[in-house]
Amino acid sequence: AQKITQTQPGMFVQEKEAVTLDCTYDTSDPSYGLFWYKQPSSGEMIFLIYQGSYDQQNATEGRYSLNFQKARKSANLVISASQLGDSAMYFCAMRERRNAGGTSYGKLTFGQGTILTVHP
Amino acid sequence: KAGVTQTPRYLIKTRGQQVTLSCSPISGHRSVSWYQQTPGQGLQFLFEYFSETQRNKGNFPGRFSGRQFSNSRSEMNVSTLELGDSALYLCASSPRTGGNYNEQFFGPGTRLTVL
Repeated sequence: AQKITQTQPGMFVQEKEAVTLDCTYDTSDPSYGLFWYKQPSSGEMIFLIYQGSYDQQNATEGRYSLNFQKARKSANLVISASQLGDSAMYFCAMRERRNAGGTSYGKLTFGQGTILTVHP
Repeated sequence: KAGVTQTPRYLIKTRGQQVTLSCSPISGHRSVSWYQQTPGQGLQFLFEYFSETQRNKGNFPGRFSGRQFSNSRSEMNVSTLELGDSALYLCASSPRTGGNYNEQFFGPGTRLTVL
């Protein structure tokens, strides 16, 4: 089973509008972290936002917010006031405390990504 | 503070050859993780090193190996290259290992093409 699922291969949004990128995850570990990264065409992965499984409030970082619904195992990224520079691939990722072999250490499991295109 | 650097940025090899990629983490970071990104398989975890020890390994054949030096710089090696090894190889550094919140800072990647 996929641990991270991003069901939107591509999304389009008008400049200055808000957009939601979907992410669902699957884990039996009660302790985990969820990350969103942005990958422009240059290839570098840029960290956007983090949500811990025990965090009571949804994470926010500037124009980015994470709509965390633990019972539904979803961690959607909301980008407000889209800008042309937001056009990129967006990845949702998870780090579990433990995998089958023990602690997960640095391992991030990524979804397939969503290509966001912002139109002027 | 300088970011994560990876060398070389681009590489072209032929089948059967071997290749070594290098990653210099952010100063003070002791954890280095490697990922392979391909259009078909997406981003997949290769391995993580912390204090010169491999802490975790992904599901890749033994042709993929790595190491970390005392200054935290890391190298990964791929022997007997196959066409399917063509990918963007990303390195990420963290100040520590373990824990759920352990932000990984990624480098620009090395794009490997195997002909």
